[in-house]
This record gives sequence, structure tokens and C-alpha cells, in this order.
Amino acid sequence: DVKVTQSSRYLVKRTGEKVFLECVQDMDHENMFWYRQDPGLGLRLIYFSYDVKMKEKGDIPEGYSVSREKKERFSLILESASTNQTSMYLCASSLAVYTEAFFGQGTRLTVV
Amino acid sequence: QQQVKQSPQSLIVQKGGISIINCAYENTAFDYFPWYQQFPGKGPALLIAIRPDVSEKKEGRFTISFNKSAKQFSLHIMDSQPGDSATYFCAASLGGYQKVTFGTGTKLQVIP
Repeated sequence: DVKVTQSSRYLVKRTGEKVFLECVQDMDHENMFWYRQDPGLGLRLIYFSYDVKMKEKGDIPEGYSVSREKKERFSLILESASTNQTSMYLCASSLAVYTEAFFGQGTRLTVV
Repeated sequence: QQQVKQSPQSLIVQKGGISIINCAYENTAFDYFPWYQQFPGKGPALLIAIRPDVSEKKEGRFTISFNKSAKQFSLHIMDSQPGDSATYFCAASLGGYQKVTFGTGTKLQVIP
């Protein structure tokens, strides 16, 4: 079974803090993704990576950065957390194009 | 700009009935159309997917109908069951690095 593991289920951070969300997949997948999920807005792509050290902006990259130093790990960084970044964050991975994306269980981040 | 529009936002269906969720897309370059199912507290999981070279795909009680000329596709759940109660997301992606754009989601409730 493919497993995508996000380091935290729930996280509370203060405004202005630098926040790291970690994601690890165990199936040697090429592609990894970070989405945020908000009610009424669905899933919106923040960043994705198709190879180690490679990244591309998604639809809402502002206020975020990512790091992929190893194939299995993809980190999302909130440089200076703000209250409008309170959301559910979902990491996903996929083997190749036209294949299933496997999602982690999500990290519910609250910025106060 | 919402590239994939999904309706309805919520749906209540009686057990044994047919659930229908519709999506429309704008970008004619999209070439992969997956549907994801999400239960509370879980990440989305692939349910069924279609490529634009076919007009229909069926897997068990789940059918995708695809209308390329109208730029629309829909999910039909036949003989809906209470266990189908979940949020459903349609999605579309471009080839290459599989940047997936999701719809806003439909919360389905199947009542006994």
C-alpha cells in the first residue's frame, strides 16, 4: 500500500511564525504536491514537484515555499504565517502522469 | 478563475437512488479527468478516471460520462448506498507533470 504521511494532524501557530509542514511518501513516486482545502473552494494547488530539487508554482503559491531535497520528502514552508493561511493542508504523490495521486490525511493548521 | 466548475454543492439522495454530480471545464487542453472521494478526516482517494478519447467509463456502480464538445463530464452513482456518503471532487489535468485542478466539491448524503 502506498503511504503518504504528513508529520502533524493538527497544528496551532502564531502570526508571523515560520511554519514547516512535512510530507513523506514511501513508494518512490516522482511527483509530489501540496494542496490546501477550504470549504466551498475545493482543493487548490500550492506547489508541486516532479523531481528532486525541482518545483513549480501551482495556483496559489503566494506566501508559501517548498523544499524537496530527497525524493521521498516534500516540505511546505509558510515564511511568515498569517491568519488567512488557516486551512487544511494536503500532501499528495503520484508515480507518473495519468496515474492516481495518493493523498495524506491532511494537516489542519490554525494560525492565531 | 475557476477552471473546473462543479455542481451541486450538496446533494441528498435516498438509498437506492441515482446520484449525479456535474462538472464543466474551460481549458480544452485538459486530457485527464479523475474523480476523487473523500470521507471525513481522510484525504481524497481516486474513485474513477477518464481520458477524453472515450465518452463513458463504468466501474461497478460508478459511471463517468464525458461530453468533449460541451466540455462537461459527470459522475453517476447507481443504487446509492449510505456508505457512499462523502464529498466528491471532480478534477482535470494537463499531461506532462499532471498539474491537477479540482472542482469545489459535492457533499453527498445518502439517506436510508
